[in-house]
Amino acid sequence: ETGVTQTPRHLVMGMTNKKSLKCEQHLGHNAMYWYKQSAKKPLELMFVYSLEERVENNSVPSRFSPECPNSSHLFLHLHTLQPEDSALYLCASSQEAFKYQPQHFGDGTRLSIL
Amino acid sequence: DQQVKQNSPSLSVQEGRISILNCDYTNSMFDYFLWYKKYPAEGPTFLISISSIKDKNEDGRFTVFLNKSAKHLSLHIVPSQPGDSAVYFCAASAGFQSGGSNYKLTFGKGTLLTVNP
Repeated sequence: ETGVTQTPRHLVMGMTNKKSLKCEQHLGHNAMYWYKQSAKKPLELMFVYSLEERVENNSVPSRFSPECPNSSHLFLHLHTLQPEDSALYLCASSQEAFKYQPQHFGDGTRLSIL
Repeated sequence: DQQVKQNSPSLSVQEGRISILNCDYTNSMFDYFLWYKKYPAEGPTFLISISSIKDKNEDGRFTVFLNKSAKHLSLHIVPSQPGDSAVYFCAASAGFQSGGSNYKLTFGKGTLLTVNP
């Protein structure tokens, strides 16, 4: 198993749909992150969880709802998205949150909103 | 306001030569710096990091140099190989106690490196 696995890899949805992105890490890390990468923009941090507790919510609209049932799994629930939400969504994990440690990324979910 | 800048969107180098990727930052609180490599359709892969107490860190063909007074870091790849062709991201953060949002990992926009055979 690779370190951080994201499913699905690609997702096309209408603005009224509800879908979820899934992330699983096999590294034994305690912190997990959601990032958004839009075209021509740097990665933007969305949410951070440390030991299943949300420690950061980076002014993300409520149409994005994260869930962390345990330290290995992270979900991003999507509903009523807008066309500008089309982007690459990356999950990452690290041993601890916000320490001097690298974050390890999954391959991302490419999301397209019709 | 971009705190981490990679001013060269692309760089082309001949196989076997040195690749030098540059990164500038504006936040003087940053004291931990990383480089990531990203292939198409894959997530960023951690390459190498450096803390502000050092000015150089080396790992095989990859060396990162940090110039704190100039708020500049660079990644040297020697010798460059065609498999090194990817987008390279610079990232920076500060300690959690630094306050504000400095502890978050802040990324540059990336530089596309092409190594020609």
